[in-house]
Amino acid sequence: AQSVTQLGSHVSVSEGALVLLRCNYSSSVPPYLFWYVQYPNQGLQLLLKYTSAATLVKGINGFEAEFKKSETSFHLTKPSAHMSDAAEYFCVVSDERDSNYQLIWGAGTKLIIKP
Amino acid sequence: NAGVTQTPKFRVLKTGQSMTLLCAQDMNHEYMYWYRQDPGMGLRLIHYSVGEGTTAKGEVPDGYNVSRLKKQNFLLGLESAAPSQTSVYFCASRRTTGFLYEQYFGPGTRLTVT
Repeated sequence: AQSVTQLGSHVSVSEGALVLLRCNYSSSVPPYLFWYVQYPNQGLQLLLKYTSAATLVKGINGFEAEFKKSETSFHLTKPSAHMSDAAEYFCVVSDERDSNYQLIWGAGTKLIIKP
Repeated sequence: NAGVTQTPKFRVLKTGQSMTLLCAQDMNHEYMYWYRQDPGMGLRLIHYSVGEGTTAKGEVPDGYNVSRLKKQNFLLGLESAAPSQTSVYFCASRRTTGFLYEQYFGPGTRLTVT
């Protein structure tokens, strides 16, 4: 069955440092992949999506993610962290078995920014 | 457009009480979803609907019922609340044209059952 694994429930970086949030999926068929962000006490917002058009995907707020089929990974990066990036980030994969286009969610990674 | 809205934002229930969560969308989407979010577990699908008058079970449907009497509304009911249903509940919707995996989320309802 399709699954998605996010390494690290909490990641702490200093302001200005590189942000790297890791995500691996399990599928022999490259799925669609997403990163959603949840700011404190807010709903979920789509950060970026991979739809097979390009392996490097750019999203909002300076984030990007690279799809690597050989590693079954879709890690999220940002060159320089800002205090406003503090949020929970979810890696999400499409469920190819399902004809209703369901999503399978990772457990989430809480990004903490140190001043 | 308001997008997806949820009512109420917060609620505290005693064990055994019932309540209904309301989700409304003004994007004319056919598909609507109810998820629950628990710490360390991501989102899990409770029920979903592929159109007015239809509902289907998701991953964790036990203890919940839903109704979709109008296209724009999707109701989630708890008949007899249990502490295990303490969670944050999210509603989402999606369109049936274009990129079909993108879902639009409401702000969530934080429910505590004591």
